[in-house]
Parts: sequence; structure tokens; C-alpha cells
Amino acid sequence: DAGVIQSPRHEVTEMGQEVTLRCKPISGHNSLFWYRQTMMRGLELLIYFNNNVPIDDSGMPEDRFSAKMPNASFSTLKIQPSEPRDSAVYFCASRSSDNEQFFGPGTRLTVL
Amino acid sequence: AQSVTQLGSHVSVSEGALVLLRCNYSSSVPPYLFWYVQYPNQGLQLLLKYTTGATLVKGINGFEAEFKKSETSFHLTKPSAHMSDAAEYFCALNFGGGADGLTFGKGTHLIIQP
Repeated sequence: DAGVIQSPRHEVTEMGQEVTLRCKPISGHNSLFWYRQTMMRGLELLIYFNNNVPIDDSGMPEDRFSAKMPNASFSTLKIQPSEPRDSAVYFCASRSSDNEQFFGPGTRLTVL
Repeated sequence: AQSVTQLGSHVSVSEGALVLLRCNYSSSVPPYLFWYVQYPNQGLQLLLKYTTGATLVKGINGFEAEFKKSETSFHLTKPSAHMSDAAEYFCALNFGGGADGLTFGKGTHLIIQP
């Protein structure tokens, strides 16, 4: 089992650019979560999907953020336009049938 | 609204000593409770979880935690610390039978002194 796969692992971009983060959940897991980790705010839930349908996006900070899950094996988190305050580590997690969430290695985003 | 409070952003113990990391929660309904560990530049790994039933939960790497409803606590312990335990530890909770997203505490950095 490869675990949750995220790409890229590191992203450096300039303010105003579009950023797309990608996630492949563990096969067979029906729920997918996006979290953000910063020093100031800790770990925060951004959005989660059940069976590819967004259930709760109340944690998405602004309209600049959007997430999609076109199929059971792929999800994207997009930031357009990016700002320096978006710099953080973004984690994707998928949930097993016994309600355990498995985290990917994260994408470290730096917006200059 | 639910919340998780971890007492002590940094905890330092000697190798071989007892590890105690504190976690208190606030919730209007019974939550599911979790402890995760994060090593530098890595994702989070589940140590243990409490859902229902037995209140003393055993996890990986010799860790255990006890759910105390009267104290709204879920403290993490390990009898004897090892150098490899140095990491960031997060307490978390969720609802909906465990289906919802996790609410995390701020984390506790565990330092192991040789």
C-alpha cells in the first residue's frame, strides 16, 4: 500500500500565481480531507469529501481557495491568486472504514 | 463548538523516564479522540484512538491513553521514554461516528534528554 500520495512535495511561487496541489487517497477510502498547518494557527481542516462530494467547506479561508474531487482516486486544492499568507504545509488525508485518517507527507507551499 | 487544549507546548523528559502529555477537550456530545505523532518534515501518524468501550487505549510504540469523561481528558503516557520518541504530538477529536474532519490541539513538542 503506497499510502496517501501528495504532489508536489515543495512548491515555491510568486504572489498572484495559481497554485494546484494534488492528492491521491488510499484505494478503497471513501472520504478525503484537506488540512493546512501553520505556526500561528496549527492544523486546520479546510474541506472534506465523502464519495467525491464536498461535505463541509467551512474551513476554506477565502474564495481564492477551491477544491475538487473528480473521482475516487484524485483530488486537487487550488489557490488563485496566491498570497504570501497562504504559505503553509498542506496535508491531504483519507479515511478508512474504521474511521482512522491516514495523512500524506504534505506539500510545503511558499508564496514570495 | 468543540475544542482541544494541549497543556505545555514543550515537554522535556530524560531517556527512560515517564512520558505524560496532557490533552483536555470541550464537547457537547461524546467525541472520538485521537493522538497523532509528527516527525520533522513528515505527515501525521496515528498513535491511538478512543471511540467507545474500554477507556484505556493502547497504541503503537508503547503509548497508551485513558479517556476520562468526568475530567474531559485524554492524556497520553509512555512508561519509559526513548530517544526516538522525540517528535511533535497532536491530540484531536471528531464527531459523526468519526466521519467528520478532525479538530486538533496546538501540539506538544516532546524533547528527550540523554
